[in-house]
Amino acid sequence: DVKVTQSSRYLVKRTGEKVFLECVQDMDHENMFWYRQDPGLGLRLIYFSYDVKMKEKGDIPEGYSVSREKKERFSLILESASTNQTSMYLCASRVREGSSYEQYFGPGTRLTVT
Amino acid sequence: GDSVTQMEGPVTLSEEACLTINCTYTATGYPSLFWYVQYPGEGLQLLLKATKADDKGSNKGFEATYRKETTSFHLEKGSVQVSDSAVYFCALTVNNNDMRFGAGTRLTVKP
Repeated sequence: DVKVTQSSRYLVKRTGEKVFLECVQDMDHENMFWYRQDPGLGLRLIYFSYDVKMKEKGDIPEGYSVSREKKERFSLILESASTNQTSMYLCASRVREGSSYEQYFGPGTRLTVT
Repeated sequence: GDSVTQMEGPVTLSEEACLTINCTYTATGYPSLFWYVQYPGEGLQLLLKATKADDKGSNKGFEATYRKETTSFHLEKGSVQVSDSAVYFCALTVNNNDMRFGAGTRLTVKP
């Protein structure tokens, strides 16, 4: 079974703090993604990575950065947390299945910034 | 750009009722279509998918047919159970680019 794990299920941080969210996958997938999930907005892509040391901006990269130093680990960094970054953060990895790709998601980290 | 529109919730049904959650898409190419389910406190799980027109995806009693003529991929189940209570997301990829998600539809099934 593919497993995508995230370092924390719940996190509470103060405004201005630097926040690290870690994601690890155990299936040697090349592609990894970070999304945030907000009610009524679905999932919005923050950043993604097609391979080690590669990163691409998604739809809402402002206020975030990422790091992919090893294939299995993809970190999301909030340089200076703000209250509007309170959200559910979902990590995913992707593998080719036949003619399409299939994404596998972690359990999510619910971040509250106070 | 490529996008998905799904019916707004929440949807509340009694056990054994029929379910339909509408999903329509806009795509520049030939998308692959997906339904994901998110149970309370968990991440998203792939429920079913279809990669070309007229394909039918099915899993756990759920079905969806890729309708190119109506650009739709509606999720259906003939008899829902309490355990089906979750949030359902329609999604697409085109040329295996980024996956685009709908806003999600929360389903509550009452005994």
